[in-house]
Formats: sequence, structure tokens, C-alpha cells
Amino acid sequence: ETGVTQTPRHLVMGMTNKKSLKCEQHLGHNAMYWYKQSAKKPLELMFVYSLEERVENNSVPSRFSPECPNSSHLFLHLHTLQPEDSALYLCASSQDSGGSYNEQFFGPGTRLTVL
Amino acid sequence: GQNIDQPTEMTATEGAIVQINCTYQTSGFNGLFWYQQHAGEAPTFLSYNVLDGLEEKGRFSSFLSRSKGYSYLLLKELQMKDSASYLCAVLDSNYQLIWGAGTKLIIKP
Repeated sequence: ETGVTQTPRHLVMGMTNKKSLKCEQHLGHNAMYWYKQSAKKPLELMFVYSLEERVENNSVPSRFSPECPNSSHLFLHLHTLQPEDSALYLCASSQDSGGSYNEQFFGPGTRLTVL
Repeated sequence: GQNIDQPTEMTATEGAIVQINCTYQTSGFNGLFWYQQHAGEAPTFLSYNVLDGLEEKGRFSSFLSRSKGYSYLLLKELQMKDSASYLCAVLDSNYQLIWGAGTKLIIKP
């Protein structure tokens, strides 16, 4: 595997379900990100991790819970979601979380539908 | 507030040239990125500009004017595979990426 991988690619869940999204990066990067992408809206940054420490949480509802067990893996735990949470969830990684040039490498995303 | 503006959708003809504009108002500036995203796929990096001027990379070029808060992505010799969304993003004074909503480019034969 190379680059950034995400599983599952598609997920349909009810509002009472609990599920987790998984992201893995094979680039040796120190920073990982979760983004939400809704149709015709800008990418919304949800969480940033640098060296497994959370450095940013952009006021995301508590029904989204991130976990970063090591610098290569990132999870997003989901529970009691709402239909408006249906979106494409993208994971990204970069060499570091700060600095003037910090190209982010994205995974293919998980298409989430909440019924 | 911080804002990135780019057209929602553009249409162009195969073999032609298209320019996608991006204007920004951000708290500080530490560079501007362009990403390409095909439907159902990951965004992929195209270019990075931090100084004024034109950066050319094959069929794609990116221009930046910091004084005007303006950038454009120029695509030449358009191919059908260039049909995608093009995302503009600015790195602000806190080194946080501020994203535009993307421009969907449709290429017609």
C-alpha cells in the first residue's frame, strides 16, 4: 500500500449506530487530518493531529470522536449521528502540521450516509 | 471573516484553454495551493504559489497576485481527463488551510 488509504469507502448507518472510519498513511508523515466535504461547500477541517497529539479541534460536535494511536493511523469514531452529517469524510497527512509549505496528501474518502 | 471565492462551475472545449480564478480574503498569507479532485477520488496537489508571478508546470500554470488577493489556474490543451473539480486553498497567518468550495470543470468534445 502506498499513500493514504481509508476504509470503508462507503458507509450507511442509522442515527443510533456506532461506527468507525479508519485512515492509514504510508508516507512517514507526522501530521494527520480529518476533513468533512459536503456538496458545493469548502472542505471543513475537523481535527488535526501532530505526532499523535491533537493540535486542533474546530468546534466539532462530540458525536465525532477522533483517535490517533500512532503517527500512521487515524480513526474517527461516530455515534448518534444526524442526517446532516452525511458527507464525504477525507483523511489527509503532511510532513508536519505547521510551516510555510505543507502539501497535504489525501485519501480517497469515506462516503457516509446517515439515515 | 476568511473567505475564498471561485466559480462554481465552468465548461470548456477539448483542446482549448481555460482559466479558473480564485480570490481570497484571509488573515495573513503564507501561500496558495491548487488541488485537483476527480469525482469520487482524493484531491491531488497541483501547485503552490507564495510569491507573485506565474508558475508553469507542463499544461498547467498558476498565477498569484498577493496585492490583489487573486490567483488563477490556467489549463492548456484541455483533455477530457481534465474534467474534475479544482480547489483553491490559502495558508493563513496561523498556517491553517482555508479552502474554497471548488470549481467543477466540464470538458466537452
